[in-house]
Amino acid sequence: QKEVEQNSGPLSVPEGAIASLNCTYSDRGSQSFFWYRQYSGKSPELIMSIYSNGDKEDGRFTAQLNKASQYVSLLIRDSQPSDSATYLCAVKDYGNNRLAFGKGNQVVVIP
Amino acid sequence: EAQVTQNPRYLITVTGKKLTVTCSQNMNHEYMSWYRQDPGLGLRQIYYSMNVEVTDKGDVPEGYKVSRKEKRNFPLILESPSPNQTSLYFCASSFAGNNSPLHFGNGTRLTVT
Repeated sequence: QKEVEQNSGPLSVPEGAIASLNCTYSDRGSQSFFWYRQYSGKSPELIMSIYSNGDKEDGRFTAQLNKASQYVSLLIRDSQPSDSATYLCAVKDYGNNRLAFGKGNQVVVIP
Repeated sequence: EAQVTQNPRYLITVTGKKLTVTCSQNMNHEYMSWYRQDPGLGLRQIYYSMNVEVTDKGDVPEGYKVSRKEKRNFPLILESPSPNQTSLYFCASSFAGNNSPLHFGNGTRLTVT
């Protein structure tokens, strides 16, 4: 079974700081990587996708992918209280569309 | 509006009483999937479908059935629900390409007593 691992435990950051989230995956053949944000009791919503090694920036979010080391990370710059949520890392199998999720990282932005 | 629609949003039932959770998408997506989400366990895939009449088991299929008779619909059936199926359920869909992200429905909170 393919594994997607995220650091456990909530991450508390002061407003305006950078939140850094990491995710590792076990299947070296994985091709597509996604970060979802989930507010409590709500459905996951896509915030970033990345497919190639390197960095991808979208507003205050930057995703970083390193396939050789099998990790993907998410940086949230200038963190806002509205960023307080659980962030899910997801990795897609090549060819069969299956998306495996990590257990998530809770982020709490302190005003 | 492009969306994945699940019904009902909340459901309380008793052990053994068959139920169906409906899922419909209006984006012409080939791929559809059901997940359950439990505290500490994250999102776990129950069943998925690559296209009409093509379904396959995910990681936790026991106690569930699905069907894909039409492209837009992917109902989840619990023939004989048990308390361990109390969970938050999400339907999701996407295009078939590797770079296509999943779009999620609003979720169904199921309680089996």
